Amino acid sequence: DTGVSQNPRHKITKRGQNVTFRCDPISEHNRLYWYRQTLGQGPEFLTYFQNEAQLEKSRLLSDRFSAERPKGSFSTLEIQRTEQGDSAMYLCASSLGTGFYGYTFGSGTRLTVV
Amino acid sequence: SQQGEEDPQALSIQEGENATMNCSYKTSINNLQWYRQNSGRGLVHLILIRSNEREKHSGRLRVTLDTSKKSSSLLITASRAADTASYFCATLEAGNMLTFGGGTRLMVKP
Repeated sequence: DTGVSQNPRHKITKRGQNVTFRCDPISEHNRLYWYRQTLGQGPEFLTYFQNEAQLEKSRLLSDRFSAERPKGSFSTLEIQRTEQGDSAMYLCASSLGTGFYGYTFGSGTRLTVV
Repeated sequence: SQQGEEDPQALSIQEGENATMNCSYKTSINNLQWYRQNSGRGLVHLILIRSNEREKHSGRLRVTLDTSKKSSSLLITASRAADTASYFCATLEAGNMLTFGGGTRLMVKP
């Protein structure tokens, strides 16, 4: 297992287009998290899954954002009708249980909306 | 919203010096964790301290926690140029997700 994998690493899209990111967590980890990070800021929580169930969503996650984890393994984060304000690094992390011993993060997907 | 506030926001030191970063938070926590992030990369877990612990060491890292003041500090001793990165504290509340502070950007000059 090579850790948490995110694809693509970079995505440039035109305003109004839809984009989808993928995260493959560590296989034994039952929890998966999505965070967003803008330049010079700390990561902000978006949503998390326990197995296939989406348990919590931040108010940051507008109705243009949707996340899935269909079989409790990989997850996708889709942004519809992208806006320039969506430009950020999207980070995925996974943990065993509640993450009491820490999260393992992927390298992130850098989204640029032009 | 972000739970923690890191201080300073930026720190520049010479190789061999010690670097101290502070973190304050607002609510009761299960534990506090420190992460490192190299430019444009994901976060790497460094060290964790439980709410009933006051100090913890790992290699050149020393973390303290004062739950009465809701604050923590991370000390990196004998810093190296390779320690240049952003450092984030994150708190875990009961059953919830990690909440991160704004980070300290550390530059270690050779």
